[in-house]
Amino acid sequence: DGGITQSPKYLFRKEGQNVTLSCEQNLNHDAMYWYRQDPGQGLRLIYYSQIVNDFQKGDIAEGYSVSREKKESFPLTVTSAQKNPTAFYLCASSIPYLGSGNTIYFGEGSWLTVV
Amino acid sequence: GENVEQHPSTLSVQEGDSAVIKCTYSDSASNYFPWYKQELGKGPQLIIDIRSNVGEKKDQRIAVTLNKTAKHFSLHITETQPEDSAVYFCAASIPRGATNKLIFGTGTLLAVQP
Repeated sequence: DGGITQSPKYLFRKEGQNVTLSCEQNLNHDAMYWYRQDPGQGLRLIYYSQIVNDFQKGDIAEGYSVSREKKESFPLTVTSAQKNPTAFYLCASSIPYLGSGNTIYFGEGSWLTVV
Repeated sequence: GENVEQHPSTLSVQEGDSAVIKCTYSDSASNYFPWYKQELGKGPQLIIDIRSNVGEKKDQRIAVTLNKTAKHFSLHITETQPEDSAVYFCAASIPRGATNKLIFGTGTLLAVQP
């Protein structure tokens, strides 16, 4: 089946450690995104990538890093510089759609808890 | 600025009743408006969308209306069922050069009481 796979589903991190969340898609989509979701809030964009080897900061990029070495993969690293990393992280992808908006499809999410 | 306001934050209805969720956007250049349903612990799923050249779109029990003049759009669910219970998010897409930026509302928790 085509879709977006995120792993792990649940992750615990000690303060001061970096952690990497995996995102793989087999939809042949060019664009990929990482969002953060906190209780009672909307989705906030961390990073996005329109093509391989290129990515752009979103609204809350501080303390995060990404890479886009392959079209199907867009891993997110939560670094120790992120002061409040406990959240639900969502990866998404889309076909870039010039002029009329992207239809974005989401993965099932990864829960990160700092202990 | 870029902002999408969504109301209400929580909505409780009886099974079989209708539910309406409303969103207002700030950027008049917004041209695409998707709605997502998110069940507990899962990722959001696209349920319906509408583009700026259309005023209304319907898919079985779900419909979306768009008023560009007032800059608001609404989700209508008729004959609600317990499995409709979830968090619903609206979003507005703003053109930014060769790309688009998607701004999300803060979500509505819909509870359908059997």
